[in-house]
Amino acid sequence: QKEVEQDPGPLSVPEGAIVSLNCTYSNSAFQYFMWYRQYSRKGPELLMYTYSSGNKEDGRFTAQVDKSSKYISLFIRDSQPSDSATYLCAMSASNDYKLSFGAGTTVTVRA
Amino acid sequence: DADVTQTPRNRITKTGKRIMLECSQTKGHDRMYWYRQDPGLGLRLIYYSFDVKDINKGEISDGYSVSRQAQAKFSLSLESAIPNQTALYFCATGSTGTQYFGPGTRLTVL
Repeated sequence: QKEVEQDPGPLSVPEGAIVSLNCTYSNSAFQYFMWYRQYSRKGPELLMYTYSSGNKEDGRFTAQVDKSSKYISLFIRDSQPSDSATYLCAMSASNDYKLSFGAGTTVTVRA
Repeated sequence: DADVTQTPRNRITKTGKRIMLECSQTKGHDRMYWYRQDPGLGLRLIYYSFDVKDINKGEISDGYSVSRQAQAKFSLSLESAIPNQTALYFCATGSTGTQYFGPGTRLTVL
């Protein structure tokens, strides 16, 4: 079993829809939770960062962490074609800062 | 200018050749990392370094070596390249829990 599980999709939605992405994990030591966005042939770009549990909002993006369920989510409101990318969840424990990644979910927003 | 740069961006080589990938960062972070990305497998850690004198193996270090020449420079070497090392390679730098990635090197081993 992988340490971080993420449905690879692909996910296709119409413009303006809400995109919902999630990851589950097994390591209870994880304290830092991140979402990265990766466009084709580019490096991952840090999108959202959350420490411990709770919600964080940044514009159209909301990240949620539920440590009791070992489950994290990313919501994209009013999705745009420019949001079409692969979204990677990542997490690390507080004592080593090594990231464990999900496999990534490919999202296409149709105009 | 980009915070993390990688050279070369693309490389095609033959089995058995020695290859070096280079990474430089201007973010001033102590920690640097090398990952490879394969379809369906996500990003896997090859090596990481917390400072110039501290080098650590990641989950898939066999067949790779690294050198931390300075705080800002971290290079990855494939001593004798093999076809299953064909992948996208990323360098990253970070502080606390986050990491910032370079644009990647696409390596093909024939």
